[in-house]
Amino acid sequence: DTGVSQDPRHKITKRGQNVTFRCDPISEHNRLYWYRQTLGQGPEFLTYFQNEAQLEKSRLLSDRFSAERPKGSFSTLEIQRTEQGDSAMYLCASSAYWGGAGELFFGEGSRLTVL
Amino acid sequence: TQLLEQSPQFLSIQEGENLTVYCNSSSVFSSLQWYRQEPGEGPVLLVTVVTGGEVKKLKRLTFQFGDARKDSSLHITAAQPGDTGLYLCAGVMGYSTLTFGKGTMLLVSP
Repeated sequence: DTGVSQDPRHKITKRGQNVTFRCDPISEHNRLYWYRQTLGQGPEFLTYFQNEAQLEKSRLLSDRFSAERPKGSFSTLEIQRTEQGDSAMYLCASSAYWGGAGELFFGEGSRLTVL
Repeated sequence: TQLLEQSPQFLSIQEGENLTVYCNSSSVFSSLQWYRQEPGEGPVLLVTVVTGGEVKKLKRLTFQFGDARKDSSLHITAAQPGDTGLYLCAGVMGYSTLTFGKGTMLLVSP
């Protein structure tokens, strides 16, 4: 399967713990995006990368959230000191950006439950 | 403040009925996309509209982009149970990233 893959699919953690999600984009895609989706809502943009450069991170929800894409391939999203309000689906998407509106290809998401 | 307002939020219909869902904004978009999301899955692109007044048809689905590029509609003819899902509109302004509406949850019963 050559689509976007995310790991883990489900994560249950206790409040205060750190969690990390991994996203492997479609190999030839230069852009990678992270979104958060809560029940009954559309995806909420968090951050994105073009190759290894993080071009927008002001929409990360707090300084407990950080993302990396060290070699311009896979990416990780880390949440430190998790809170119950962090419970959500974290979606990764990738696209081949050459200017204009491109199609985002989404993974199946990583569902986080904070107890 | 929600940049893109979608209506209705939820729609439950019988197989064979027609329906229209709407996506409205006070902002002008350079392009607008519609995605469909099924439970436990990520959204999947249905269509991209770029030109004001543009109409695109995909089988039983008809998408329209408003003349002023601030709104869009999705019309489904003769809905089928397989059309069930969350329909999301998403807009791009200039060189910004894609912003999603809250979605319309469609349930089509046999």
